Amino acid sequence: EAGVAQSPRYKIIEKRQSVAFWCNPISGHATLYWYQQILGQGPKLLIQFQNNGVVDDSQLPKDRFSAERLKGVDSTLKIQPAKLEDSAVYLCASSLRSTSGRRVQETQYFGPGTRLLVL
Amino acid sequence: GQNIDQPTEMTATEGAIVQINCTYQTSGFNGLFWYQQHAGEAPTFLSYNVLDGLEEKGRFSSFLSRSKGYSYLLLKELQMKDSASYLCAVRALSGGYNKLIFGAGTRLAVHP
Repeated sequence: EAGVAQSPRYKIIEKRQSVAFWCNPISGHATLYWYQQILGQGPKLLIQFQNNGVVDDSQLPKDRFSAERLKGVDSTLKIQPAKLEDSAVYLCASSLRSTSGRRVQETQYFGPGTRLLVL
Repeated sequence: GQNIDQPTEMTATEGAIVQINCTYQTSGFNGLFWYQQHAGEAPTFLSYNVLDGLEEKGRFSSFLSRSKGYSYLLLKELQMKDSASYLCAVRALSGGYNKLIFGAGTRLAVHP
């Protein structure tokens, strides 16, 4: 089974420029997540999609960040304009709800991430 | 609010056992995950607990006490390749949907 794909793997831009990241989740996974991981910290959820609808974007800086998931499959995350503090790894994850007896599990599987450096 | 605490760094010897603790305060608790993250790589799933008790999976075990807001990850027969960050993540139900909140991670160094 193919995993979560992301591109590009690395990006270097200057502040005030724009950048876009792409994610292709595991086939059949209805839920897609974008996380920001700053060096030395755990991933922080930016936005969560259920199919092509947003269910949580409370921590997305909406003045500069935007994301969409057309047709409920691939997703793009855009930063415009970028700031120095946006330097981080941007992780995409997807999940599928599964049930085993009375136990419901929804494990998130992560892509390799895009490492962004803003100069 | 939501808060997850785990030690920043730990060291251990190859072949030994190490326990990484995680304490949390959260509303809408709906399960706890442990992920392993090697430097420069994505987190990979290790274990999941939703009920109290121990879940064992090979060399790795994870324990949960919901009443104490406490979990630990136990790694046995440590190998050099176990050197990585270990992320404790709490799943919380909010607005009808589950959300995963990560701790800062514990950086484990295994030495010969």
